[in-house]
Amino acid sequence: AQKVTQAQTEISVVEKEDVTLDCVYETRDTTYYLFWYKQPPSGELVFLIRRNSFDEQNEISGRYSWNFQKSTSSFNFTITASQVVDSAVYFCALSAKGGSQGNLIFGKGTKLSVKP
Amino acid sequence: DTGVSQDPRHKITKRGQNVTFRCDPISEHNRLYWYRQTLGQGPEFLTYFQNEAQLEKSRLLSDRFSAERPKGSFSTLEIQRTEQGDSAMYLCASSSSPLGYEQYFGPGTRLTVT
Repeated sequence: AQKVTQAQTEISVVEKEDVTLDCVYETRDTTYYLFWYKQPPSGELVFLIRRNSFDEQNEISGRYSWNFQKSTSSFNFTITASQVVDSAVYFCALSAKGGSQGNLIFGKGTKLSVKP
Repeated sequence: DTGVSQDPRHKITKRGQNVTFRCDPISEHNRLYWYRQTLGQGPEFLTYFQNEAQLEKSRLLSDRFSAERPKGSFSTLEIQRTEQGDSAMYLCASSSSPLGYEQYFGPGTRLTVT
């Protein structure tokens, strides 16, 4: 079975704090892809990052960084020096070859509130 | 490129009525997906097209739901005899080959069945 678990339902931080959003995935496939999407209050899902199962290098993009660890089946997302504009629901998603034709399996999302 | 567009953005209908939604993907994308998202949940896969061929349907897609993608361009999702449980946000996404590429989502159609 393929599954994505985002254990944190809601997180609230004060602006400029660092925050980490957790994501744990399950799949039996050796080839798979992991994604993070942002859903701001406007509702449209915005693609943030894609990683494949063969690339465990961490990635940094501005204030965003991602930590992929196959040993713990985790793909965590850290926002450094959070800003009010980061307030949104963040989804982790999995696409595995043994599943369907590339459809994404989403976690339930983590709602991040950044207060000024 | 204008991204994925969906129409209408909002639809209110009475139980038992039929509704149809439209999705226009990013023009060079050959894969098109439909998802459904209810409050507090992540999107759930409904169905998938590669060009004009509908290659997979989720068990969530009851026989009241039908989707088409004529000529491999825009797609329509029809719900017949709507039920209150159909109230949700219906999302369309598109991507290019090969498998595993990121999907770009449209703004969604919010359906309310009264």
